[in-house]
Amino acid sequence: LAKTTQPISMDSYEGQEVNITCSHNNIATNDYITWYQQFPSQGPRFIIQGYKTKVTNEVASLFIPADRKSSTLSLPRVSLSDTAVYYCLVGDKSSAAAGNKLTFGGGTRVLVKP
Amino acid sequence: EPEVTQTPSHQVTQMGQEVILRCVPISNHLYFYWYRQILGQKVEFLVSFYNNEISEKSEIFDDQFSVERPDGSNFTLKIRSTKLEDSAMYFCASSLTLAGGQYEQYFGPGTRLTVT
Repeated sequence: LAKTTQPISMDSYEGQEVNITCSHNNIATNDYITWYQQFPSQGPRFIIQGYKTKVTNEVASLFIPADRKSSTLSLPRVSLSDTAVYYCLVGDKSSAAAGNKLTFGGGTRVLVKP
Repeated sequence: EPEVTQTPSHQVTQMGQEVILRCVPISNHLYFYWYRQILGQKVEFLVSFYNNEISEKSEIFDDQFSVERPDGSNFTLKIRSTKLEDSAMYFCASSLTLAGGQYEQYFGPGTRLTVT
């Protein structure tokens, strides 16, 4: 599994855009990049997944440069309720041999202030 | 929107006692998982389950742990003889497919297990 590195914490204010960058220098060709969100005392929740370039959904955007050695999760116009821990995960989406477990790192604790 | 449910939300037990944590995965999902999170630490994989058998387990999932799908809806985690260090939040998750949605696992709200 590719190792990921992301900031431990970030502070932001309501209405701002939050960008969290994750480094995954040894990402493999078959690996996808996935982000999960975890609110206090709740289970992780899938946010977005991508392989290359840009993916956007109703919650976030995911930017992946051509070399795929990093990715940036972008949360537009955050509100207080976006305060959570955000996890970057990298792994093979399709290989049964790799197992289908999720391996979480420490994540980035985002605090949105009023 | 369908969701994974877990009961109880909080379980207090004495060291050495057996506990069973219950989960109802999303109804058409085929893959089931247990994770745990010790307070202030990472979410850790325990076990995955497919087609009525364990697919993969971590080193945490020793002989004290077992999983079962006793009927078509429930998925349980049993800890035979709890230890203080088993105190954690236990999350159940489920997913529909492996190849098509490996990382789209849906997590339940968790059961907080406190061993005294």
